[in-house]
Amino acid sequence: NAGVTQTPKFQVLKTGQSMTLQCAQDMNHNSMYWYRQDPGMGLRLIYYSASEGTTDKGEVPNGYNVSRLNKREFSLRLESAAPSQTSVYFCASRDRAANEKLLFGSGTQLSVL
Amino acid sequence: GQQLNQSPQSMFIQEGEDVSMNCTSSSIFNTWLWYKQDPGEGPVLLIALYKAGELTSNGRLTAQFGITRKDSFLNISASIPSDVGIYFCAGLEVWGAQKLVFGQGTRLTINP
Repeated sequence: NAGVTQTPKFQVLKTGQSMTLQCAQDMNHNSMYWYRQDPGMGLRLIYYSASEGTTDKGEVPNGYNVSRLNKREFSLRLESAAPSQTSVYFCASRDRAANEKLLFGSGTQLSVL
Repeated sequence: GQQLNQSPQSMFIQEGEDVSMNCTSSSIFNTWLWYKQDPGEGPVLLIALYKAGELTSNGRLTAQFGITRKDSFLNISASIPSDVGIYFCAGLEVWGAQKLVFGQGTRLTINP
């Protein structure tokens, strides 16, 4: 089925551990995004990639890195996890040229102890 | 950066009641989107608005793009239990990277 696929669905880390959240879309979209969702804060943009080969910081980039591996895949890396990074992470994609709406993956629930 | 103020933050209503929520911004947007999020899932698009003054319906949902381009509202008529969830507004930036800016969300709870 076409859409945005995120892995893993759940993850528990200890403070200082590293991990990479994976995201892939099969809709040939140009733009991909990583958001985090915290209670009462809505969705805040971490990083985005307007097109293959480019990445830019969003509203809350500190503590994260991203890689736009190819047009399909956009990964988010936590090099040294902190409890403040406990959150639900969503990947999304969109075709800017077609003014298509943002489509979301089902999320990764991350807990940092 | 730009911010959207969404209200109310939460609503507790009886089944069958109508619901109204809104978003305001200090900046203008070209596009307003309304999303719904069910527990454990990502947000799903409900309605997209592209022109100032536009009024669009999707079943029991009606949304409007404010004439000033700085606000939008969403109405749900005759609420049913499956309407429970978190509703987000989002505005598409006019300039620069055209990122989507999200409101804080409205959590809707329905008593049967």
